[in-house]
Amino acid sequence: EIVMTQSPATLSVSPGERATLSCRASQSVSTSLAWYQQKPGQAPRLLIYGASTRATGIPARFSGSGSGTEFTLTISSLQSEDFAVYYCQQYSNWPPWTFGQGTKVEFK
Amino acid sequence: EVQLVESGGGEVQPGRSLRLSCTTSGFTFTDHAMSWVRQAPGKGLEWVSFIRSKRYTGNTEYAASVKGRFTISRDDSKSVAYLQMNSLQTEDTAVYYCARAVRLATGGVRYYFDYWGQGTLVTVTS
Repeated sequence: EIVMTQSPATLSVSPGERATLSCRASQSVSTSLAWYQQKPGQAPRLLIYGASTRATGIPARFSGSGSGTEFTLTISSLQSEDFAVYYCQQYSNWPPWTFGQGTKVEFK
Repeated sequence: EVQLVESGGGEVQPGRSLRLSCTTSGFTFTDHAMSWVRQAPGKGLEWVSFIRSKRYTGNTEYAASVKGRFTISRDDSKSVAYLQMNSLQTEDTAVYYCARAVRLATGGVRYYFDYWGQGTLVTVTS
């Protein structure tokens, strides 16, 4: 089973600032990596798949990068609606599909 | 518009059973695999179960924590996916989400989850 590790657990950011979230896989997943956003009481929403491809309707301020075992989600200029928990997920070696433990982006 | 709506959650005693439904619309259900993912209160996301489309065998997969107790199925005539949960345990308490899976076939078959329902809460308590 591939273990996904996200850092930091919590990221305090001011609106308009850049946010950088990290995700590490315990073994290579190539670019089979997705990022999800989850707000309180809501379902996860797909942001990025293929490590760097934005899903339909996702604003350009969200970008993903990386391959192998190291990945990054960048929010270029944080908006108020971006405060949420973000999860990475690998879909290279399945089952199981595995998620990171999440990074909470909070208001600084 | 793609929609997934879960139902069937509730409060149940340990050892009892529950069946969840995921009613879908806005896409061709037969073209997609489906999956269930759960989230315990205050915790992260845990994949639970997966069923391929009948075009690609309709075979199923389960997390080790639920194998032998949970059964995923699908009714293509109704565009509904199900999760039959037997021998429920307190650690099964969670919000259960269904998710649509997108199949990728380059460089090996892989699936990622693009649309999710709003979830249904299952509480296992005595």
